[in-house]
Amino acid sequence: QVQLVQSGAEVKKPGASVKVSCKASGYTFTGYYIHWVRQAPGQGLEWMGKINPNSGGTNYAEKFQGRVTMTGDTSVKTAYMELNGLRSDDTAVYYCARAHSPDSSSCLHWGQGTLVTVSS
Amino acid sequence: DIQMTQSPSSVSASVGDRVTITCRASQSINSYLHWYQQNPGKAPKLLIYAASNLPSGVPSRFSGSGSGTDFTLTISSLQPEDFATYYCQQTYGTPPTFGQGTKVEVE
Repeated sequence: QVQLVQSGAEVKKPGASVKVSCKASGYTFTGYYIHWVRQAPGQGLEWMGKINPNSGGTNYAEKFQGRVTMTGDTSVKTAYMELNGLRSDDTAVYYCARAHSPDSSSCLHWGQGTLVTVSS
Repeated sequence: DIQMTQSPSSVSASVGDRVTITCRASQSINSYLHWYQQNPGKAPKLLIYAASNLPSGVPSRFSGSGSGTDFTLTISSLQPEDFATYYCQQTYGTPPTFGQGTKVEVE
C-alpha cells in the first residue's frame, strides 16, 4: 500500500533552516508529483509547491519563492522540503502528499505531518 | 491567485442529517475542484476529486457536484465519524488554493 513517512518534529530558532523528509513506498516514486502543504496552528491548509521526482522539476508558490527548495532522491525514494529564513509564522505542521494520479493535482496519499516550531 | 470561499464556516448537525457545504471560486475553474476531510491532529483525506468523483473506499453518502465557479459537497446521512473539518481545493490555477474550511459540529 502507498505510504509516505515524514521525519520527526523540529524546533528551530528564527533565521534558521529546516529540512523535512518524506519517504515513499508502495508505488513508483518517479511516477507521481509530491506536493507540500502546511497548516499553521488552528488555521487552514496552504499549498507550498510540488516536485516531479522523475525530472526534479519544481513549482513553488510565489509566497515561498527564494525561501523554499524541494528536492527528491530516487535512490531512497525520498522527497525533501527545505525552508530557509524561518520566522515565527512558519510554525506549522508540514505535510507531503502524493498526487492522486500522474496527471492530477488532487492529493490522495498524505504523510503524517511534521510539526516545525520556530521560537527563540 | 484564485480565491475559494466556503460556506458556512461551521454547521451544527445531528447523526442522520443531510449536510451541504458550498464552495465558490473567484473565477471559473471548470471541474478542477476537490474536497478533503480533516480530523483534529490528522492529515487531510481526499473525499471527492474533479468535483464529483469518489476515490476508492470513500462511502457513497458523500457526493459532490458543480462546475465553473459553484460547487457543493453533500453528506446524505451524517455518521459519527463525519464530524470533522472539510476543505475545498482548486487545482485549475497556480498556486492551488484551499477554502477556509467548514467545521461540522455536533448539534
